[in-house]
Amino acid sequence: AQSVSQHNHHVILSEAASLELGCNYSYGGTVNLFWYVQYPGQHLQLLLKYFSGDPLVKGIKGFEAEFIKSKFSFNLRKPSVQWSDTAEYFCAVNGGGTYKYIFGTGTRLKVLA
Amino acid sequence: EAQVTQNPRYLITVTGKKLTVTCSQNMNHEYMSWYRQDPGLGLRQIYYSMNVEVTDKGDVPEGYKVSRKEKRNFPLILESPSPNQTSLYFCASSLYRGSGANVLTFGAGSRLTVL
Repeated sequence: AQSVSQHNHHVILSEAASLELGCNYSYGGTVNLFWYVQYPGQHLQLLLKYFSGDPLVKGIKGFEAEFIKSKFSFNLRKPSVQWSDTAEYFCAVNGGGTYKYIFGTGTRLKVLA
Repeated sequence: EAQVTQNPRYLITVTGKKLTVTCSQNMNHEYMSWYRQDPGLGLRQIYYSMNVEVTDKGDVPEGYKVSRKEKRNFPLILESPSPNQTSLYFCASSLYRGSGANVLTFGAGSRLTVL
């Protein structure tokens, strides 16, 4: 069965610190990978996605993620966080050719000004 | 404005009283789906629909029904709600992409409390 693990449930950082949020998945075939973000009081929205091609993908607001197939990972990174990055972040996986979505449990990030 | 609209946004009900949460999108998306969000469990997919009259179970379909009679609407039906269905519910939609799931557009969420 497909599963997604997000290792960090709560992260607190100071502004300008670097961020890396882990995401590992379990699925044997090709995958489509997503990071979604939920800012306080706002809808869930896409940060970035990987379908194929360059395993290093860039998203909005300076976020990037790297797909490492051998490690079944899709970690999210940002070199320098801002207070406005305070939000909950969800990794999601879809097995290629299927239409089921599996989300991780989410990581709450708090950035201190 | 392109959006997914859910109603009601907040609802308190009692065990066993049937309720429907509506979901409508104005983007002509083929794919629609429902999720519940619970603390420590993230989002879990309840049902999804590839197009009109085509629906399938997600990971947690027990206690829920859906229908897709029109492309724009995908209501979630709780025939006999129970307290363990107290949760935050999200509807989402996307364009069909032949090789798998596409980027989802989410609604604002519906917070349901079952007493």
